[in-house]
Amino acid sequence: DVKVTQSSRYLVKRTGEKVFLECVQDMDHENMFWYRQDPGLGLRLIYFSYDVKMKEKGDIPEGYSVSREKKERFSLILESASTNQTSMYLCASSAQQGANTEAFFGQGTRLTVV
Amino acid sequence: DQQVKQNSPSLSVQEGRISILNCDYTNSMFDYFLWYKKYPAEGPTFLISISSIKDKNEDGRFTVFLNKSAKHLSLHIVPSQPGDSAVYFCAASGWGRAGNMLTFGGGTRLMVKP
Repeated sequence: DVKVTQSSRYLVKRTGEKVFLECVQDMDHENMFWYRQDPGLGLRLIYFSYDVKMKEKGDIPEGYSVSREKKERFSLILESASTNQTSMYLCASSAQQGANTEAFFGQGTRLTVV
Repeated sequence: DQQVKQNSPSLSVQEGRISILNCDYTNSMFDYFLWYKKYPAEGPTFLISISSIKDKNEDGRFTVFLNKSAKHLSLHIVPSQPGDSAVYFCAASGWGRAGNMLTFGGGTRLMVKP
């Protein structure tokens, strides 16, 4: 089974802190994604990566950056956390660009910025 | 502008009856559609998908119908069970969207009453 693991289930950070959310997948997937989930808004794409060191902005990249130094690991960085970044963050991975395959999600990280 | 919309934020159904969850999309380039199920404090899990070359796909109690001319899809759950109570997300992808990037709807909370 595909496994996508996020480093933390719950995080509480202070405004202005630099925050790292880590995600690891074990199925050698090319594509990795970071979404955030907010009530009524569904899942919105922050960033995605289709290869090591490659990244593309999603729909809401402002205030975030990402890093993919190894194929299995995709990190989301909040350079200076703000209260409007309080949310559920979901990492996902999928195989093969151009093919119809589903994305597999991690368990999510509930981030609260105070 | 949301390209994938789920207009019903919630749905309540009696156990044993049919649940019908609806989804509309606007982007004609979408050619692959998925439904995900999400429990609180967990990541979404893939449920069922359909390619645009089909109008129906069935997997046990779950059936997805696609009406391309109306840009509408629906998920039918028969019979509904209390364990089906969750948030259901509709998602879409298509050629031209790098890395199998999925666009999600806002979700519908299904409550199945015993």
